[in-house]
Amino acid sequence: DQQVKQNSPSLSVQEGRISILNCDYTNSMFDYFLWYKKYPAEGPTFLISISSIKDKNEDGRFTVFLNKSAKHLSLHIVPSQPGDSAVYFCAASARGLRMYSGGGADGLTFGKGTHLIIQP
Amino acid sequence: SAVISQKPSRDICQRGTSLTIQCQVDSQVTMMFWYRQQPGQSLTLIATANQGSEATYESGFVIDKFPISRPNLTFSTLTVSNMSPEDSSIYLCSVGNRGFEQYFGPGTRLTVT
Repeated sequence: DQQVKQNSPSLSVQEGRISILNCDYTNSMFDYFLWYKKYPAEGPTFLISISSIKDKNEDGRFTVFLNKSAKHLSLHIVPSQPGDSAVYFCAASARGLRMYSGGGADGLTFGKGTHLIIQP
Repeated sequence: SAVISQKPSRDICQRGTSLTIQCQVDSQVTMMFWYRQQPGQSLTLIATANQGSEATYESGFVIDKFPISRPNLTFSTLTVSNMSPEDSSIYLCSVGNRGFEQYFGPGTRLTVT
């Protein structure tokens, strides 16, 4: 039972345009959301996060939007650059809840990732 | 953020054997985590390793299969015991605070034949 879903395995975007990566979650106890970027043969690198008390967080070219009623978040990258080509993982945690089944409150629950390809 | 290294970076092992993966951090951290990423799947938390106490395992993971040591605040090991081809995965350690950002090592790519 996937609690964090990234329904697009891959996404191709032209350099300079906006990249929009989507993520849906099912567990209403999740209250903190993160995006990670992963290059081949490397570990995931933290990009940006958002708390459930906000609906937007921005850091340079990266903006994360959270729609709690829809249980949906998205990562916008503007403008897209060739170095952005990587796999992007959405992750969530239930910081306010210490004990629940399916992942635990200490760790992060990840989606399967979206492979972003920036075309020159 | 902390600098995290893992050894080995990759290994090919025979069915029935065991492999111990090391995770070294360049600063003292309270919480360390071990994750697994099976081919085409998401990262899945195996256990949380705290110094001075038993590791806390997630549903579906048991200590006999994945024993963990945490002898100090900068080091941890994960052993994958009695391996089968289904254990072929990338194993990652991470550090961070409960429920907040975590920072990952480069991973250990394990292939079991």
